[in-house]
Amino acid sequence: QKEVEQDPGPLSVPEGAIVSLNCTYSNSAFQYFMWYRQYSRKGPELLMYTYSSGNKEDGRFTAQVDKSSKYISLFIRDSQPSDSATYLCAMFGNQFYFGTGTSLTVIP
Amino acid sequence: GAVVSQHPSWVICKSGTSVKIECRSLDFQATTMFWYRQFPKQSLMLMATSNEGSKATYEQGVEKDKFLINHASLTLSTLTVTSAHPEDSSFYICSASHSKVEQFFGPGTRLTVL
Repeated sequence: QKEVEQDPGPLSVPEGAIVSLNCTYSNSAFQYFMWYRQYSRKGPELLMYTYSSGNKEDGRFTAQVDKSSKYISLFIRDSQPSDSATYLCAMFGNQFYFGTGTSLTVIP
Repeated sequence: GAVVSQHPSWVICKSGTSVKIECRSLDFQATTMFWYRQFPKQSLMLMATSNEGSKATYEQGVEKDKFLINHASLTLSTLTVTSAHPEDSSFYICSASHSKVEQFFGPGTRLTVL
């Protein structure tokens, strides 16, 4: 079983839709949970990170962590074409583990 | 803040030659730098972790004699792909960290070996 599982998509939504991106994990030692956005042929960009369980909001982005279910989510409200990218989840216990990334396209 | 640069952004070389990629943290001191490899439509594959002044720690299956990593200062790490072959063609990304959790990624270097 992989440490981190992420549906690769692709996911295609109309502009303005709410997007839900998810990852599951198996290692209960993970304490930090990150979401990165990666545009084509660019390095990943840290969007936000959360420590332990709970929600964190930053503008149109909300990260949720449910440690009891070993499940994390990233919600994007009022999605824009500029949100089209690959979104990677990452987790840290004593080392980093990355998901495979979900490709998102927001259609104008 | 937290800007990481990589140079070059794209390099094409002949088979058998060596290529050096630089990774710099521009506005902070990076105690740890990471090197990743990424194939098209796949996630990041960690190659090695380096701490300033120490030897790099390589992931299983990564040849340390082929991928030489030097982390000479708190703002610079280099990856040298020695005797490159076409199968080494890939997107190489570095990241830098000054805390336990946050990694800041460079823009990546596309290597094409002919």
